[in-house]
Amino acid sequence: AQTVTQSQPEMSVQEAETVTLSCTYDTSENNYYLFWYKQPPSRQMILVIRQEAYKQQNATENRFSVNFQKAAKSFSLKISDSQLGDTAMYFCAFMKGNAGNMLTFGGGTRLMVKP
Amino acid sequence: SQTIHQWPATLVQPVGSPLSLECTVEGTSNPNLYWYRQAAGRGLQLLFYSVGIGQISSEVPQNLSASRPQDRQFILSSKKLLLSDSGFYLCAWKLIGGDAGELFFGEGSRLTVL
Repeated sequence: AQTVTQSQPEMSVQEAETVTLSCTYDTSENNYYLFWYKQPPSRQMILVIRQEAYKQQNATENRFSVNFQKAAKSFSLKISDSQLGDTAMYFCAFMKGNAGNMLTFGGGTRLMVKP
Repeated sequence: SQTIHQWPATLVQPVGSPLSLECTVEGTSNPNLYWYRQAAGRGLQLLFYSVGIGQISSEVPQNLSASRPQDRQFILSSKKLLLSDSGFYLCAWKLIGGDAGELFFGEGSRLTVL
């Protein structure tokens, strides 16, 4: 079975600065996907960024980028130029390539962006 | 565009009482549907998923059950709630053939069992 670990229950960052959220996972699979989901306070959870394991290039979506280290089974999320709207719970998630879209989630990191 | 509705948003129930949480998706057909539970300080745990009407798969043994009476309706139920059923329940849908792993979540239902 796969496991996803987020070792930082809470983090804070000053507005406009950069913050990195950590995620490690354990799997014996070679074909898989990794995700970061964002759950703002009292709002719906949304997908932030996706990484295919077979791609060596790190995924980037505007201010959000990942550092995917396949050998180390590490998948961190970097948020640049943090904004107040980035305040949320962030979940790292894993999915096997043929898993029928069933995701395994980490415990989450609560990020607070301070003005 | 597609939307997902989940209700009730908040529910306080005594131990031993029944439960029914409903989820409806609009604007799409034959979606994959999911029920997740988010316990305080913990990640999301997949409870049930469905690939079609009447087709339900359970990921963990528990006091809960799910049904899919219509293509875009997913119901989470219990005959007798336990204290351990308290949590935040999220319904989600996935477009078949859509981008891998992109689930669309409802706003959640917070259940407190007293």
